[in-house]
Amino acid sequence: GAVVSQHPSWVICKSGTSVKIECRSLDFQATTMFWYRQFPKQSLMLMATSNEGSKATYEQGVEKDKFLINHASLTLSTLTVTSAHPEDSSFYICSLERGGDTQYFGPGTRLTVL
Amino acid sequence: TQLLEQSPQFLSIQEGENLTVYCNSSSVFSSLQWYRQEPGEGPVLLVTVVTGGEVKKLKRLTFQFGDARKDSSLHITAAQPGDTGLYLCAGAKVRGYSTLTFGKGTMLLVSP
Repeated sequence: GAVVSQHPSWVICKSGTSVKIECRSLDFQATTMFWYRQFPKQSLMLMATSNEGSKATYEQGVEKDKFLINHASLTLSTLTVTSAHPEDSSFYICSLERGGDTQYFGPGTRLTVL
Repeated sequence: TQLLEQSPQFLSIQEGENLTVYCNSSSVFSSLQWYRQEPGEGPVLLVTVVTGGEVKKLKRLTFQFGDARKDSSLHITAAQPGDTGLYLCAGAKVRGYSTLTFGKGTMLLVSP
């Protein structure tokens, strides 16, 4: 399977600040990456599909101006949570697809907004 | 509408017991994946099934894809505490189009 890393693994920030989360593919050039959020004891919810060199595709109900996605290279996608609020506190996970329909996930980033 | 219904949502058993987790839908999927996720970590792929009626085995885990490709099951034999985790099924509607639909997950707790 593909090796995917995320940085940071956890972050605490004040309300109103912006936080950037990085997702890196360590052994594969990924044209497409995915961003999910997960609340405690719940399943994954797809936020957006990140496409290298073009605009991300956001799922219904996800604010694109709030969750900025940049996929500037084949190995890096970033998610920036702008003007974070406590309700944005969640576990954010990225993934990439490497052939077929299977996705390989990063270890996740725990965001806590105070 | 939840396209993939997973059951049970929570399962607490003793070490050595057998269990089955179900993933059902009224929709047809081109493929279905099972993942296991531990607290604070990302999901880890267990298996991908693509053919109706397909059965795959991974040590004590047996995965089956329904003939009509609308449902799947995960059976664990002689569960161990190390099997504890959140089990997620996820389906792809169209082959080669990677957006996955996830079930709500089954939280499995295996006690020694």
